[in-house]
Formats: sequence, C-alpha cells, structure tokens
Amino acid sequence: EVQLLESGGGLVQPGGSLRLSCVTSGFTFTTYDMGWVRQAPGKGLEWVSTISGSDGRTYYADSVKGRFTLSRDNSKNTLYLQMNSLRAEDTAVYFCAKDGTYIGGGSYYFLSHEYWGKGALVTVSS
Amino acid sequence: DIVMTQTPLSLSVTPGQPASISCKSSQSLLFSDGKTSLYWYLQKPGQSPQLLIYGLSNRFSGVPDRFSGSGSGTDFTLKISRVEAEDVGVYYCMQSIQFPRSFGQGTKVEIK
Repeated sequence: EVQLLESGGGLVQPGGSLRLSCVTSGFTFTTYDMGWVRQAPGKGLEWVSTISGSDGRTYYADSVKGRFTLSRDNSKNTLYLQMNSLRAEDTAVYFCAKDGTYIGGGSYYFLSHEYWGKGALVTVSS
Repeated sequence: DIVMTQTPLSLSVTPGQPASISCKSSQSLLFSDGKTSLYWYLQKPGQSPQLLIYGLSNRFSGVPDRFSGSGSGTDFTLKISRVEAEDVGVYYCMQSIQFPRSFGQGTKVEIK
C-alpha cells in the first residue's frame, strides 16, 4: 500500500523558513517523480513543484521559484520542500503527491499525482 | 502557461441523475503519440484529492464505471452517469503536458 506522510508544517512569520518532509512507503521511491500541490484556505489546488525520479531535475511554479527548493533523499525514501522567504500568500495545506505509470492494453501511461498524502498546514503570519 | 477553465463552478444534482463538468484548456493537450495529458481529480469534503481519470478517458483503479472522461484537443468533459451521495465534493481537471502543471478552478458538486 502506497503511503505518503507529510510533516514539518506550522506557524512561521513572514520572511521565515520552514522545511516540509514527506516520508513514503509501499513503492520503489527512486522510480517515480514526486512533488507538492498546495491549497490555500477555501481555495482550489495549485501545483507547486515536481522532482524527477530518474535524474533529479526539478520544476517550480513561478510563485515559488527562487524561494522554494525541492529535493529527495532516496536512501530514506523521503521528499523535502525547503521554503524560504515565506509570504502570507504561501499559507496553505501542502500535499505531497506521487506520480505513477501504468502499462495496459499495449499502451504506456504516465499518471500525474497518482497518490496524495493527507497534507501539512503551513501558516505564514505575524 | 496553460490555463484550465472549468464550468460550471457549482452543480446541484438529484441522486440517480447525470452530471457533466466541462474543462477547457488554452492550448492543446495532445501528445505526438496520440495520448492526451488531461486528468480529473475529486476532493471529497475534508479529504485529500484523489485521481479519477488519467489520459483523458481512463478510469484509475477502483473508480466506478459511472465516471467517464471524454473530449479532444482543448475541450474536455467529465460525466457521472448516475450521481450518488458519495460523489459530493470538488472536481478538478488538470493538465500535465507541460510545466507548470495547472488545475481548473474546481467544480463543487452537491446533492439536492
């Protein structure tokens, strides 16, 4: 069973830093792309960042580029999101998400955000 | 960047009746291999989102066959053939043909 468990959320002042962790189990961590999606209070989903499982290449939303850093520790099956220079608009629940693949009917499919964690709340406020 | 636009933003449905949600993308989501990078997710109240449909029309494991995805190019539809009480929540479409990935605004489905 795939499990994604986020931690590290909390209250931080504007300009501060926080590191989110996502401990995973139930699949071969190194094989898959992983990332984060956030949801501000009462709002919709916003993709934040993705890291490749094959080469570690990272991708970021413009809203967090230069402030957030996504990394993975394959020896610990853990994903990290280092968040610096936090702003009030970064307040959200941050979901860890696993990408996947499916082969069936002679076709290969890539599955974005196949599985999700329960989320970690980050509140940026003075 | 690709913009995803969903309509309607809310829907009230009688149990047993069909429901349909539209999603339009600002650019084609069609890969050169013929696959379409369009996903549908459902976020039930108080829960994390869950994958319903991938590759335009393929139901994810465990998703009931009353859910179906269709469309092409830039216009897409999620249909629920007979809405059940457990289908309430917010439905999102998302594109993954290029970064940044982008979601629609969400469509809230409630039961009458």
